[in-house]
Formats: sequence, C-alpha cells, structure tokens
Amino acid sequence: AQSVAQPEDQVNVAEGNPLTVKCTYSVSGNPYLFWYVQYPNRGLQFLLKYITGDNLVKGSYGFEAEFNKSQTSFHLKKPSALVSDSALYFCAVRDGGTGFQKLVFGTGTRLLVSP
Amino acid sequence: ETGVTQTPRHLVMGMTNKKSLKCEQHLGHNAMYWYKQSAKKPLELMFVYNFKEQTENNSVPSRFSPECPNSSHLFLHLHTLQPEDSALYLCASSQIAGGPGTDTQYFGPGTRLTVL
Repeated sequence: AQSVAQPEDQVNVAEGNPLTVKCTYSVSGNPYLFWYVQYPNRGLQFLLKYITGDNLVKGSYGFEAEFNKSQTSFHLKKPSALVSDSALYFCAVRDGGTGFQKLVFGTGTRLLVSP
Repeated sequence: ETGVTQTPRHLVMGMTNKKSLKCEQHLGHNAMYWYKQSAKKPLELMFVYNFKEQTENNSVPSRFSPECPNSSHLFLHLHTLQPEDSALYLCASSQIAGGPGTDTQYFGPGTRLTVL
C-alpha cells in the first residue's frame, strides 16, 4: 500500500527567501506524485504533478518540485517566497497503474511566510 | 474553483436531522469522489464513483449514503450523524482511463459540517 510522509507540521520562511516543503513516499509500482495547496476555508488547489520524464517539475504560482527516486522524495520548492504563499500544503501519491488507483495524501504542512 | 462546486458551504445539523450535500463538476470528468478532512488527519477517501458506478467504499458508516445520478452530480445524504462526523467534506472529480497525466483530481471548496 502506498503512503506519504510530510515530516514538518509547519515551515516558517521570511518573504523573499527560498522555501522547501518536504515529502517522502512509498509505493509498490511507479509513483504518480502531486502537490496541492489549501487556503483557509477553501478546497484543495492542484499545484503540480510528476508522472514521468524530467525530475524537476514546474507548476503554478512559481512552485516547482524535484522527484528523487533514490531518496523516494518529492520536495516542493520556490526560489522566493511571498506572504500570499502562506497556506496548507499537501503531498499525495498514487500507484501508476491503469484504471482507478487510490490517491493517498500526507497530513499536510503549514507554510508561514513572514513579511 | 468554479470547475467543481459544492453546496451548502456551511451546514449545522442535529444528530436526528437528515440533510444532503451536493457536488457538481463542470469539467467533463467521468469520476467523482467524496473525502472527509478532519483536523490533524490525512484526507480520508470515503466514496468513489467511476462512470456513475460506485467503485470504492472505504468502510464508511451507513449514516453516510452517496448518490451519483449522472457523471456531473454527486450527493452525500446524511442521517443520524454523530458529533465526531463534524469535518470539512470535500468533493473532487477526475478523468480516469485516459493516458498518464489525465488522472488529476480537482477539488471543490468543501462543505463545513457541524453536528451538534
């Protein structure tokens, strides 16, 4: 069965500094990896995904994530954080088989960007 | 968020009430999902409908009853709920059975449910 770990409950960053939100995963087959963001009182918004190909994936709002197969990680990054990036971030993984495969989410990491 | 809409956004109900949550997707997808989001816990998948047929039911209590009349609409009927059922209920949709990269789930804004 697949699983996702987000080891940090909260990440604090000053505006303008680079940010990293960590995610490690476990899956039996090829991983399909996703990042979502959730703002207060809102649903989850899709940021980016890795299916195959280039290990560096670029997504919405200047975010990117690096797939590292040997370390089974998919950390979310942004070169320069904005106060408006403050939100709850979820990593998710599914097995890359055909048909329906359950998407498993981590517990979320709260990102706080200070002015 | 206009791709997937949910109503109502907030709901307060007593344990003896019957209510329904509604979800509608405008993305042309063929699969819809109900998730439960509680504080400090991972999202819990409750139900999955693929081509209007229920394909997953993750041991959800019978006081939650899903209905999917067509591929664009999904309901969650609630009755005799417990206070621990208070949570944010999220609906999502995706396009299954396409090629890789098509199965991204898109979420609605959720219904904040409080059971008194």
